[in-house]
Amino acid sequence: EVQLVESGGGLVQPGGSLGLSCAASGFTFSNNWMTWVRQAPGKGLEWVANIKPDGSVTSYVDSVKGRFTISRDNAKNSLYLQMNSLRAEDTAVYYCARWTYSSGWWYIDFWGQGALVTVSS
Amino acid sequence: QTVVTQEPSFSVSPGGTVTLTCGLSSGSVSTNHYPSWYQQTPGQAPRTLIYNTNTRSSGVPDRFSGSFLGNKAALTITGAQADDECDYYCVLRMGSGIWVFGGGTKLTVL
Repeated sequence: EVQLVESGGGLVQPGGSLGLSCAASGFTFSNNWMTWVRQAPGKGLEWVANIKPDGSVTSYVDSVKGRFTISRDNAKNSLYLQMNSLRAEDTAVYYCARWTYSSGWWYIDFWGQGALVTVSS
Repeated sequence: QTVVTQEPSFSVSPGGTVTLTCGLSSGSVSTNHYPSWYQQTPGQAPRTLIYNTNTRSSGVPDRFSGSFLGNKAALTITGAQADDECDYYCVLRMGSGIWVFGGGTKLTVL
């Protein structure tokens, strides 16, 4: 059974840093692109970042470029999101999710339960 | 910057049919955008519904179907049920590894 379990959420002051982790199990982690998607309170889903299976390619939404870093450790079956210079508008539930390429189509097929990050003084 | 558009809200009667759409503020949605659809109930993680135009994710009832409608991707619910009342999102690939979710559609079944 595929499982994605986020950890590391919490309360942080504006300008501070926080790191999220996502422990993956039930599949060969090193085969899949992975992603972080967030959802601010009462708002819609927002794609945040992607990372290639070997970690060599990453991409980010403009609003987090230069502040957030997505990374992975395939030996530990873990995905990470390092968030620096946090702003109030980064307050959200952060979901770890798996991309799959099947029948010529890219889509997210598994989601974690999410980790709440609150940026407030 | 191109925006992914969805109806903010929609209402359907129990047993009725509703089609939600996913478009672009500029241009047409095509297979190159890899549209997929996700369902989310309040307080829960999203659930994958549809990908590859009209392929249902495991466990998704066949009352959910996908298509292209004109210049948009579409999600149709046929025979809507009370527990279909929740939020629906599409996501599109916008090139260079960038993905954008639509704003979501809040579906009411009454």
